[in-house]
Amino acid sequence: EVQLVESGGGLIQPGGSLRLSCAVSGFTVSSDYVTWVRQAPGKGLEWVAVIYYAGSTYYADSVKGRFTISRDNSKNTVYLQMNRLSAEDTAVYYCARETHDYSNNGCFDYWGQGTLVTVSS
Amino acid sequence: QSALTQPPSVSGAPGQRVTISCTGSSSDIGAGYDVHWYQQLPGTAPKLLIYGDNNRPSGVPDRFSGSKSGTSASLAITGLQAEDEADYYCQSYDSSLRGSVFGGGTKLTVL
Repeated sequence: EVQLVESGGGLIQPGGSLRLSCAVSGFTVSSDYVTWVRQAPGKGLEWVAVIYYAGSTYYADSVKGRFTISRDNSKNTVYLQMNRLSAEDTAVYYCARETHDYSNNGCFDYWGQGTLVTVSS
Repeated sequence: QSALTQPPSVSGAPGQRVTISCTGSSSDIGAGYDVHWYQQLPGTAPKLLIYGDNNRPSGVPDRFSGSKSGTSASLAITGLQAEDEADYYCQSYDSSLRGSVFGGGTKLTVL
């Protein structure tokens, strides 16, 4: 059974840093794609970042230079390091498996439950 | 502003058919990238509803269907049920951004 479990969210002051974790079971992060998607309160979904099985990483313009996606293959876990946080980063952050098995571009077939990040003084 | 454009809301009575549009551009849907659809019930994570333009994952009722033409895609829901009341999002890939893009979401209300 595929499961993704996020952790690490919380209240952080503007300008601060936070690292989110996405613990995966049921597939191997080093052989697949894992993505982060966020949802601000009352707003829609926003793609944040992806890490490919080969290690390549890509980011939304809104987080480029501030966020870093990485993984620990031994722990089968993907991370999102978030620096220089602002109020606009307040959101529920979801990690999801991105599959390319059925499409020429990935879709997100398994999602975690999300972790809330609140940036406020 | 989202990369893909959806109507903010649609509504329909039980048993009726509704459609939700998703309009993109020449760098995403128009470039031939597939469109996927998600259903998000209140307080829950999104769920994959349609992948690859018009395919349903196992367990999704055949009341849900997708289509695509040019730079736009649509999600159709027939035989509306109260449990279909949710937010719906389209998603594709943007070659200029080198990343996935979502629509702004559409809230479906079952009257």
